[in-house]
Amino acid sequence: AQKVTQAQTEISVVEKEDVTLDCVYETRDTTYYLFWYKQPPSGELVFLIRRNSFDEQNEISGRYSWNFQKSTSSFNFTITASQVVDSAVYFCALKAAGNKLTFGGGTRVLVKP
Amino acid sequence: GAVVSQHPSWVICKSGTSVKIECRSLDFQATTMFWYRQFPKQSLMLMATSNEGSKATYEQGVEKDKFLINHASLTLSTLTVTSAHPEDSSFYICSARDGQGAEAFFGQGTRLTVV
Repeated sequence: AQKVTQAQTEISVVEKEDVTLDCVYETRDTTYYLFWYKQPPSGELVFLIRRNSFDEQNEISGRYSWNFQKSTSSFNFTITASQVVDSAVYFCALKAAGNKLTFGGGTRVLVKP
Repeated sequence: GAVVSQHPSWVICKSGTSVKIECRSLDFQATTMFWYRQFPKQSLMLMATSNEGSKATYEQGVEKDKFLINHASLTLSTLTVTSAHPEDSSFYICSARDGQGAEAFFGQGTRLTVV
């Protein structure tokens, strides 16, 4: 069975601070995909990144960066120089065998001006 | 990315009535569609998986007679909440995929309120 744990339920920062969201996953499959999604107050899910299990390279996209560590089964997400528009709920998700997406509990990020 | 359109975006209905939610893939053929439910401040929980032309596969604990899913074409799946009750009030969101292993794209979600 697959499991995704986001230990932080809520993080509050002041604008321009960096914020790191933790994600730890469990799966017995050797081939899997990891995702991060952003859910703003309007509710839609915004896709941020997909990473497959064979690609451990870290990735940077603008102010966003991701750190994938298979040794610790973690796929952490950092927002650098946070902005008020970054306020949202962020979900980490795992897709392994069976093609179902398993979501973590989500981390609510509040960026104060 | 591909576009998935969900309609309506919000609906209020009376207890005991049925509500239909549509999920359409606008620019690709969705062989598989997924329906999720999200209660306030909670995560997304998969309700069912539907493949075009076949019966949906429901997750444990989801009543198939209450949540009717139809996936009659490659671009449309519908979720009907039958005899809705206030505890069915939730955010329902669909996603669609165009092939095995391909990424799934999400609709905008439907906020259902049963009064």
